Amino acid sequence: QQPVQSPQAVILREGEDAVINCSSSKALYSVHWYRQKHGEAPVFLMILLKGGEQKGHEKISASFNEKKQQSSLYLTASQLSYSGTYFCGTDHNTGTASKLTFGTGTRLQVTL
Amino acid sequence: GAGVSQTPSNKVTEKGKYVELRCDPISGHTALYWYRQSLGQGPEFLIYFQGTGAADDSGLPNDRFFAVRPEGSVSTLKIQRTERGDSAVYLCASSLRSRRGGNTGELFFGEGSRLTVL
Repeated sequence: QQPVQSPQAVILREGEDAVINCSSSKALYSVHWYRQKHGEAPVFLMILLKGGEQKGHEKISASFNEKKQQSSLYLTASQLSYSGTYFCGTDHNTGTASKLTFGTGTRLQVTL
Repeated sequence: GAGVSQTPSNKVTEKGKYVELRCDPISGHTALYWYRQSLGQGPEFLIYFQGTGAADDSGLPNDRFFAVRPEGSVSTLKIQRTERGDSAVYLCASSLRSRRGGNTGELFFGEGSRLTVL
């Protein structure tokens, strides 16, 4: 079942912070975050593994609550380049990331 | 090139026709994935290859869809008797295999092939 993302859309001024949430009804092994700009390929941001391991970019942070089957992506001091659609992808298998179920996305627009 | 390459970038076809979409993954990536993305939606898993074999094809919607990767590199997604509902962007991704035997987790996506069925 598809994870639910919130909010669906958000508009920020440059320098403001945002939190994007991802919630699943099924047990998770890992959560993956991607950003996609219009007409472009999704780009990897972060992976959070069961047990607390994280792999990703320095300027982006995220949390993973295994019990609640939820993850949140934290964007701080947003820049214009952060604009795009953010997708969480959930892995319900053994962490091999062989099959991700993506949410419907959160559209983020950063303005001056 | 250094990234995942997909051809064609755009394909317009008529209902009932056969189409092939090609994906050239990053050199050395043993894992290859096909996803489908409809307007306003997240990518939807279709099939995953590890090497030449399809390790998981549970996302293929029906038997009109088939994918191959005969030499463990380039992959072709084949759609027979296309229907208007097949219209979408078909994304290919590749990844490295980790030392533990799974995949490292980071998918490198191509820019996709936009299929329009009239």
